[in-house]
Amino acid sequence: DTGVSQNPRHKITKRGQNVTFRCDPISEHNRLYWYRQTLGQGPEFLTYFQNEAQLEKSRLLSDRFSAERPKGSFSTLEIQRTEQGDSAMYLCASSLRGSTGNTIYFGEGSWLTVV
Amino acid sequence: GEDVEQSLFLSVREGDSSVINCTYTDSSSTYLYWYKQEPGAGLQLLTYIFSNMDMKQDQRLTVLLNKKDKHLSLRIADTQTGDSAIYFCAEKGDSSYKLIFGSGTRLLVRP
Repeated sequence: DTGVSQNPRHKITKRGQNVTFRCDPISEHNRLYWYRQTLGQGPEFLTYFQNEAQLEKSRLLSDRFSAERPKGSFSTLEIQRTEQGDSAMYLCASSLRGSTGNTIYFGEGSWLTVV
Repeated sequence: GEDVEQSLFLSVREGDSSVINCTYTDSSSTYLYWYKQEPGAGLQLLTYIFSNMDMKQDQRLTVLLNKKDKHLSLRIADTQTGDSAIYFCAEKGDSSYKLIFGSGTRLLVRP
């Protein structure tokens, strides 16, 4: 499978713990995005990388959230001191700059439950 | 600001056509997309349309765009039970790299 890969797919953590999600984009895709989706809502943009540079962070991304994309390949999203309000699905997506339709492909998501 | 709106729910009988509607507010939207999400899964890109097009057809899917009214629709011909899912409309400006999504329309296909 050459799609966007995310892991872990599910994570249950206690409030106050740190969690980290990993995303492997489609090979050759230089753009990588993180979105968050809560129940009954559409995905909301969190942050965007072009290669290894993080070019935008949404105001939704509080100081407890940090994302990295070392070497412009895989990316990690870390949430420190998790809160119950962080419970959501975290979606990673990737695209190739200049591709037809600027199409953005999503992974299967990582579900986070904070108890 | 940018906003995308969709109706919440649509129920159709198997074999009928489904039409899912979407309105958006950003007049600079350049690309509009339809994604499908099955329970517990990520988003599957179905199709997209460039803003200078009125219509795009792809097998059972037909996308219609009324740029004047900022209205987008997705028609699914011969709807099957496997089409039951949530469908998201999303828009993106040419100079933007992020998608703005609607809240999704849940399509239920009755046998």
